[in-house]
Amino acid sequence: AQSVTQLDSHVSVSEGTPVLLRCNYSSSYSPSLFWYVQHPNKGLQLLLKYTSAATLVKGINGFEAEFKKSETSFHLTKPSAHMSDAAEYFCVVSDTIYNFNKFYFGSGTKLNVKP
Amino acid sequence: GAVVSQHPSWVICKSGTSVKIECRSLDFQATTMFWYRQFPKQSLMLMATSNEGSKATYEQGVEKDKFLINHASLTLSTLTVTSAHPEDSSFYICSATQTSGSKNIQYFGAGTRLSVL
Repeated sequence: AQSVTQLDSHVSVSEGTPVLLRCNYSSSYSPSLFWYVQHPNKGLQLLLKYTSAATLVKGINGFEAEFKKSETSFHLTKPSAHMSDAAEYFCVVSDTIYNFNKFYFGSGTKLNVKP
Repeated sequence: GAVVSQHPSWVICKSGTSVKIECRSLDFQATTMFWYRQFPKQSLMLMATSNEGSKATYEQGVEKDKFLINHASLTLSTLTVTSAHPEDSSFYICSATQTSGSKNIQYFGAGTRLSVL
């Protein structure tokens, strides 16, 4: 069975400081892992994905995530937060069944960036 | 590229009426489309998965007669909420995967906020 746990429902950082959004997953198979961002009243935008290649994945807008199989984690980081990063972030694990992928979403982490 | 358009973005309807939500892949062909429901301050819950030309697969607990899904072409899927009630008020989001290229990435629409009075 697949599941995702996002450890923090809210994270608040100051502009220019590092961001860490935590995600742990459970998967019966070799998972694909994703981070999506959702700005208010907008759809979800893909930040980055891990699909069994390099364990350190670089995404858009300066975000990156590291897949750690031993810790079953896929934490999202950014060296320096920007005001425009304020949004909700979802960690997702996918499982290939039949011919398509089913997404399992974490509960989301709301990132607040203070000036 | 890989843009998914959802329409309408917001709809208000009376209890007992039906509402149709459209999901279109604008610049790619979508093998599979997904419909999610998002309650306030909660995560997305998968309602159903639809493949072009075949019946949708509904998740446990989702009433297929209430949430009718049609995926008539490779670029369009529709979700019809039949005989809507206030408890159906929610944010509905669709996503699509490509027929070629990165098939395990889902591209999401901007969502439809449904308010049932």
